[in-house]
This record gives sequence, structure tokens and C-alpha cells, in this order.
Amino acid sequence: AQSVAQPEDQVNVAEGNPLTVKCTYSVSGNPYLFWYVQYPNRGLQFLLKYITGDNLVKGSYGFEAEFNKSQTSFHLKKPSALVSDSALYFCASSSGNTPLVFGKGTRLSVIA
Amino acid sequence: DAGVIQSPRHEVTEMGQEVTLRCKPISGHDYLFWYRQTMMRGLELLIYFNNNVPIDDSGMPEDRFSAKMPNASFSTLKIQPSEPRDSAVYFCASSDRVWGTTDTQYFGPGTRLTVL
Repeated sequence: AQSVAQPEDQVNVAEGNPLTVKCTYSVSGNPYLFWYVQYPNRGLQFLLKYITGDNLVKGSYGFEAEFNKSQTSFHLKKPSALVSDSALYFCASSSGNTPLVFGKGTRLSVIA
Repeated sequence: DAGVIQSPRHEVTEMGQEVTLRCKPISGHDYLFWYRQTMMRGLELLIYFNNNVPIDDSGMPEDRFSAKMPNASFSTLKIQPSEPRDSAVYFCASSDRVWGTTDTQYFGPGTRLTVL
């Protein structure tokens, strides 16, 4: 069965510093990987996805993620964090033709 | 497009009452998903439809839950009778057919359900 792990419930980072939100996956076959963000009292918003091709994926709001097949990871990164990036971040995966499986989410807090 | 529309945004009801949540997907999207979000269990997929047909309802917790999609622009999730443990935020999401279930999903704002 496929699964997604987000090992950190909470990540704190100072504004202007780089941020990383970690995600590892377990999928049979080629993985399809996603990052979503949820702001308070809102639905999830799509940030970026990896389907195939370049291991470094660029998405919305300056975020990027790197697919690492050997480490089965898909960490979300941003070079310089903003206070407005504070939100709940979800990693999700699929093996194709199966519904997305979401991680439990990581709460990012960017401190001014 | 207005995005995925859900109603009501908030629902407070008493245990034993019937609750109906509504969703209008993005026009042209062939897939519709219902999720439930709680602090304890995170985001859970309840059921999804393809071209109005339920494909996988294995996430529906009990027979008290039912979902329908009578046409391409409308879906309902019904809980009858409701219980306090059903209190959660319920999301509807839709996606295009290009990549099937792995395509980008667009989420509605959610319905916050409180069962007293």
C-alpha cells in the first residue's frame, strides 16, 4: 500500500531564511508527487507536482521541490521564507490511476 | 471559473439529524472527490466519482454516509443520522481527466460541520 510521511508536525523558520518541509513516500511503480498548501479556514491549494522529467520542480509563490528517487523523498523548499508562507503544507502521492494519498501535514511558522 | 463551490460553509446540527453537504465542481472536470479533515485523522478520502459514477467508496466510514452525483455539476454528501464524531471539515475537490486520479485536484473552501 502506498503511503506518505511528513516527519515534522511543525517547522519554524525566521523570515528571510531558507525553508525545507520534508516528505518521503512509498509507492509501487513510478510516483506522482504533489505539494498543497492550506491557509486557515481555506481549502487546499495546489503548489507543484512531479510527474516525470526534471527532478527539480518549480511551483507557485517561489516554492520548489526536489524529487530524489534513491531516498524516496520529495522535500519542499524555498530560498527565502516570508511571514505569509505560514500555513499547513501537505505532501501527496499516487502510483497512477489511484487516488492521491496525503501526508498528515506540516505546519510552517515563519517568524518575523 | 469560480472554482469548486461548496455549501453550506458552516453547519451546526444536533445528533440524530440528517445533514446534506453540497458541491459544484469546476466545469469540465470529470473527477470529483469528497474528503474529511480532522485533527486526529488528518485528510481522509471518503469517495470519488468519475463521470458521475462512484468509483471507490471504501473510505466512507459507515452506512450512515452516502454520496450522489446526479449530474456533472452537482454532488451531495449525506449523513443520516449524524453523530458528534462526524464533526469535521468536509472538502470537495475536482480534477480534469488528463491524468485521471493523479491530476491536480482543486479544492473547495470546505464545510465545517459541528454535530452537538
